[in-house]
Amino acid sequence: AQSVTQLDSHVSVSEGTPVLLRCNYSSSYSPSLFWYVQHPNKGLQLLLKYTSAATLVKGINGFEAEFKKSETSFHLTKPSAHMSDAAEYFCVVSDPGTNAGKSTFGDGTTLTVKP
Amino acid sequence: AAGVIQSPRHLIKEKRETATLKCYPIPRHDTVYWYQQGPGQDPQFLISFYEKMQSDKGSIPDRFSAQQFSDYHSELNMSSLELGDSALYFCASSQQGAFRTQYFGPGTRLLVL
Repeated sequence: AQSVTQLDSHVSVSEGTPVLLRCNYSSSYSPSLFWYVQHPNKGLQLLLKYTSAATLVKGINGFEAEFKKSETSFHLTKPSAHMSDAAEYFCVVSDPGTNAGKSTFGDGTTLTVKP
Repeated sequence: AAGVIQSPRHLIKEKRETATLKCYPIPRHDTVYWYQQGPGQDPQFLISFYEKMQSDKGSIPDRFSAQQFSDYHSELNMSSLELGDSALYFCASSQQGAFRTQYFGPGTRLLVL
């Protein structure tokens, strides 16, 4: 069984300040982990993914995430927030060991960026 | 680059009607997944297909069925629609392989009146 917990339902930062969105997971296998972003009334866009290679993963738009097995965490960070980063962010876990590799989504974190 | 295509993008139906949502995966992707995202909710996995066979099943109601065709596109058939079926329905596709990164379509927004 797999599950994912996003520790903050809402995060508010000022433009130009760092962003931290927290995610913890549990998995019976060595999981694949993903962060997706969803802008209002838009589809889901892949930000980055961890697939058992480097533990520090760089994604699009300046985001990166670090896989920490000992802490079962996969937190998303960005050094400097931009207004266009305001969106809903989903942490996703997928067990490659399952037949279809279905994904389990966290509840999402709404990021607000203040001018 | 080609992306996942979903049609229609918007659909309005009345209670007890039927609806069919279509998904066209990225070329050479052999696996399709369907998700339902209710208002303010995270996407919930419904069902998936690999090489035209159902590969996994999630919280899909018995009133819904789906299939994947020989050209790998998939259709989600929804019958006896209820008000609670109003949601955004996402299709995602991936390639067979250990990590199966899923790429999502833009979604079909279904409104049941």
